[in-house]
Amino acid sequence: DIQMTQSPSSLSASVGDRLTITCRASQSIDTYLNWYQQRPGRAPKLLIYGASHLQGGVPSRFSGSGSGTDFALTISSLQPEDFATYYCQQSYSSPQTFGQGTKVAIK
Amino acid sequence: EVQLVESGGGLVKPGGSLRLSCAASGFTFTNFVISWVRQAPGKGLEWVSSISSTSSYIHYADSVKGRFTISRDNAKKSLYLQMNSLRAEDTALYYCARGQGITMVRGLVNYFDYWGQGTLVTVSS
Repeated sequence: DIQMTQSPSSLSASVGDRLTITCRASQSIDTYLNWYQQRPGRAPKLLIYGASHLQGGVPSRFSGSGSGTDFALTISSLQPEDFATYYCQQSYSSPQTFGQGTKVAIK
Repeated sequence: EVQLVESGGGLVKPGGSLRLSCAASGFTFTNFVISWVRQAPGKGLEWVSSISSTSSYIHYADSVKGRFTISRDNAKKSLYLQMNSLRAEDTALYYCARGQGITMVRGLVNYFDYWGQGTLVTVSS
């Protein structure tokens, strides 16, 4: 199975900050990497698919990059509604696997 | 509007069975792979099972293989998960999720563009 490792596991940030979350795959997954946001008590929401493609309706302050084994999710200017947990997921091979999550808290 | 609504969760004893359902609306159900993804309390996301549009391809996580059975009824626009021999470690919120970007070369894999709100399964004596 492909292991997905996110860094950091948690962080504190302020409104307006630029932040980057990284995700590393245990083997190359090309650009089959997706990012989700999960607010407390809510279902996950797709943000980015194919490493860099913004899902419809997602604000442009979210962006994704990377290929192979190393990927990043960047939020250019953190907004109050962005405080949540973020997960990466590989859709390169079965079983599709998720990272352990990165919790973004208010500083 | 795309909607996925799960039901059927509850409290069950270890070794027991439960059947989850997911009712879909707002899209052409027969065009999509649908999956179950679970989340144990306070933990991350774990893919459980996926079924292709015509039920020709079915995949399970090793953790549930042989105990869980996924199925769908396209006429009813519904997805099911029959869970047998339940264990404490199956305790989780179970989401159904619609698949996009399907690839079949290395198994049935995709990303998930719509999710239901989940149904809670608790396995405890």
